[in-house]
Amino acid sequence: DTGVSQDPRHKITKRGQNVTFRCDPISEHNRLYWYRQTLGQGPEFLTYFQNEAQLEKSRLLSDRFSAERPKGSFSTLEIQRTEQGDSAMYLCASSHFGQGKYEQYFGPGTRLTVT
Amino acid sequence: AQTVTQSQPEMSVQEAETVTLSCTYDTSESDYYLFWYKQPPSRQMILVIRQEAYKQQNATENRFSVNFQKAAKSFSLKISDSQLGDAAMYFCASCGGATNKLIFGTGTLLAVQP
Repeated sequence: DTGVSQDPRHKITKRGQNVTFRCDPISEHNRLYWYRQTLGQGPEFLTYFQNEAQLEKSRLLSDRFSAERPKGSFSTLEIQRTEQGDSAMYLCASSHFGQGKYEQYFGPGTRLTVT
Repeated sequence: AQTVTQSQPEMSVQEAETVTLSCTYDTSESDYYLFWYKQPPSRQMILVIRQEAYKQQNATENRFSVNFQKAAKSFSLKISDSQLGDAAMYFCASCGGATNKLIFGTGTLLAVQP
């Protein structure tokens, strides 16, 4: 068990560019969550997957955001036409939902800065 | 809808002393879970302790324990024998329902004085 990993750890991009982040969950975890955390705030839910199915998206997730989890393993979060307001820490978490296990384990996050 | 409120933006404790962080929540779910997460500066979120709402017994994990008052919707974290490594932002969170998405409070920044 190597924990949840995220790549890259930091990303600086210019406004209007597209960016993509990757999350590798703990193996055998069937659920994968994406959260966004701005400075001084708690994380806010963006979307989640159970296996390869995306089951819910927050209203925070505008149509410039898209997420995938092909084959129920790693996940990617893409932001198109980035805006300065997208600057935040993007956190990924995974869990083994079911059988009384509900806790989520977080990765180190990807810090996005849009200039 | 679920909400989580942490009314203490900052707290300070002397090394080896005990500190209690407060959290209140509101939820419409009948089956839910409560958590405390720790986020050290520039480091990742770590699960400290969890509490199943259907359990009356308060959870404990070594120096960390909770006081879960279901009727009052209160879920406080007690850290005993505080250590310098306990300095971090602490987030209270709840989850429940089909998604089990975490709803976080705004956090309490804990400083530990040597």
